[in-house]
Amino acid sequence: QKEVEQDPGPLSVPEGAIVSLNCTYSNSAFQYFMWYRQYSRKGPELLMYTYSSGNKEDGRFTAQVDKSSKYISLFIRDSQPSDSATYLCAMSVPQGAQKLVFGQGTRLTINP
Amino acid sequence: KAGVTQTPRYLIKTRGQQVTLSCSPISGHRSVSWYQQTPGQGLQFLFEYFSETQRNKGNFPGRFSGRQFSNSRSEMNVSTLELGDSALYLCASSDRAGRGSAFFGQGTRLTVV
Repeated sequence: QKEVEQDPGPLSVPEGAIVSLNCTYSNSAFQYFMWYRQYSRKGPELLMYTYSSGNKEDGRFTAQVDKSSKYISLFIRDSQPSDSATYLCAMSVPQGAQKLVFGQGTRLTINP
Repeated sequence: KAGVTQTPRYLIKTRGQQVTLSCSPISGHRSVSWYQQTPGQGLQFLFEYFSETQRNKGNFPGRFSGRQFSNSRSEMNVSTLELGDSALYLCASSDRAGRGSAFFGQGTRLTVV
């Protein structure tokens, strides 16, 4: 079983919809949680960074971490066609903060 | 501020050869990590360098190695290439030792034939 599980999709929604992306994990030592967006033939782009539990909002994006359930989420409001990409969750432990463990990525398509 | 720069962008090598990939981190960033991305395995951590020292290592064979220079630039080397080494190799830099946020370059697409 992988340390980080993420539904690979693909996920297809109409423009303007609220998108919910999720990851579950098994290592309770994870403290740093990130969401990356990756367009085809590009490197991952950091979207959200959260330390420990709680919510964080940045524009149309909201990241949630529930450490008791070992579950993290990314919500995208008012989704746009330009949001079409693969979304990757990543996490790490304090002793190896740069050793990111990634989910498989969810391929998202926003239809105009 | 310039982002993470990786060279070359594309590379084709023959089985058995060796290859060196280069990464220039964001100015001021001292931590550089390398990842391998394949369709089957996703993104997997190779190793991390901080102040010229390898701080963490992933579960890859010894054919994969790296180093970091005093200006924080990093190189990774793969010897005796195998077909399965074909992948996108990504470099990430961070300005905070002990924190998780990392910024990725565009990657080097390596094809082994």
